[in-house]
Amino acid sequence: GNSVTQMEGPVTLSEEAFLTINCTYTATGYPSLFWYVQYPGEGLQLLLKATKADDKGSNKGFEATYRKETTSFHLEKGSVQVSDSAVYFCALSDGVSGGSNYKLTFGKGTLLTVNP
Amino acid sequence: ETGVTQSPTHLIKTRGQQVTLRCSSQSGHNTVSWYQQALGQGPQFIFQYYREEENGRGNFPPRFSGLQFPNYSSELNVNALELDDSALYLCASSGGQGVMNTGELFFGEGSRLTVL
Repeated sequence: GNSVTQMEGPVTLSEEAFLTINCTYTATGYPSLFWYVQYPGEGLQLLLKATKADDKGSNKGFEATYRKETTSFHLEKGSVQVSDSAVYFCALSDGVSGGSNYKLTFGKGTLLTVNP
Repeated sequence: ETGVTQSPTHLIKTRGQQVTLRCSSQSGHNTVSWYQQALGQGPQFIFQYYREEENGRGNFPPRFSGLQFPNYSSELNVNALELDDSALYLCASSGGQGVMNTGELFFGEGSRLTVL
């Protein structure tokens, strides 16, 4: 079945440091790929997405490129802020039989702490 | 535009009891999915409802059941609660007429269930 493997945390960085969180996936077909973020005490929010190979998703200074050849979707940010402290989840979508809608398969999440 | 809302936000039950969690989907969305997020883990797909019928199910036993109503809101019911059912239960909505289906889900803030 489909699966997502992401870098184990926790990750602790100083403000303005460079961030990379690795994510690789196993899937049949051509899933869409997502990064979701979960701030303390909140639900998940979509951070960025890419729907086909070589697409780059970007938002709030974060970027990730859909690499089909390496089955990867690594998250990067050039200069992190304290407010970026959260748990980051890599996910892929695949179809749910019988409908036109999708379910997400998530990685285990990576806790990022940014210190001032 | 009203987002996904869930109730209750927190609840405590004892083993063997039953629980009902509720979710209102985002305006315009006709599909509701439920996820279980254990502490320190990524969300796991429970099931999805579309047109008031279950439309795909993850690896959860039959004591996890649900409903979707004509207004697209949904309930998650869990019978014979076990200690391992303690988790954050997330509802997500998607789909709908005129809504581009890219696999993105919109999450509520969750219902945190503690089973003692």
